[in-house]
Amino acid sequence: EVQLVESGGGLVQPGRSLRLSCAASEFTVSSNYMSWVRQAPGKGLEWVSLIYAAGTTYYADSVRGRFTISRDTSKNTLYLQMNSLRAEDTAVYYCAGEWVGGYFDFWGQGTLVTVSS
Amino acid sequence: DIQMTQSPSTLSASVGDRVTITCRASQSISSWLAWYQQKPGRAPKLLIYKASTLASGVPSRFSGSGSGTVFTLTITSLQPDDFATYYCQQYNSYSRTFGQGTKVEVK
Repeated sequence: EVQLVESGGGLVQPGRSLRLSCAASEFTVSSNYMSWVRQAPGKGLEWVSLIYAAGTTYYADSVRGRFTISRDTSKNTLYLQMNSLRAEDTAVYYCAGEWVGGYFDFWGQGTLVTVSS
Repeated sequence: DIQMTQSPSTLSASVGDRVTITCRASQSISSWLAWYQQKPGRAPKLLIYKASTLASGVPSRFSGSGSGTVFTLTITSLQPDDFATYYCQQYNSYSRTFGQGTKVEVK
């Protein structure tokens, strides 16, 4: 059974940094497309970032230049480095895996990031 | 960027009702559309991909149709477990855009 488990969320002050992790089992992070999707409290889903199997990365306009997606093949783990955090980055962050490509077959349980002073 | 617009935002229905949710894309996305169901406090669950293909384990009362810019998700006979929020998502480009969601609530 595929499992994606996020960690690293928490309370952080505006302007500070945080790194999220997503550990995968029964699903190879480096062989598939992986994304981060977030959901602000009471709001809808927002795609944040994508990494292709080949390593190409993409970002939503709202986070480009501040967030970096990466992966560690040896640990089968996906990361999201979040810098210069803003109040509007407050959300539950999900990692999501694409088995075929384009849509999200697998989701983690989410990790809450709260940006507040 | 491709924008996705769902309607309605909220839908009140009863068990047994036929429910239809519409999703419109700001430009043609062929059939590159997925639908998800999300319940409070839970991660989304894939229901349909490529506009009309049912994901594994999804009940046959769910169906999807459409191509180009207009898509629909239909639940033929609403069950108690189906009260949730539904999202469409396009994958015509690298940018995976979601609709704003449709909440199906008890009438």
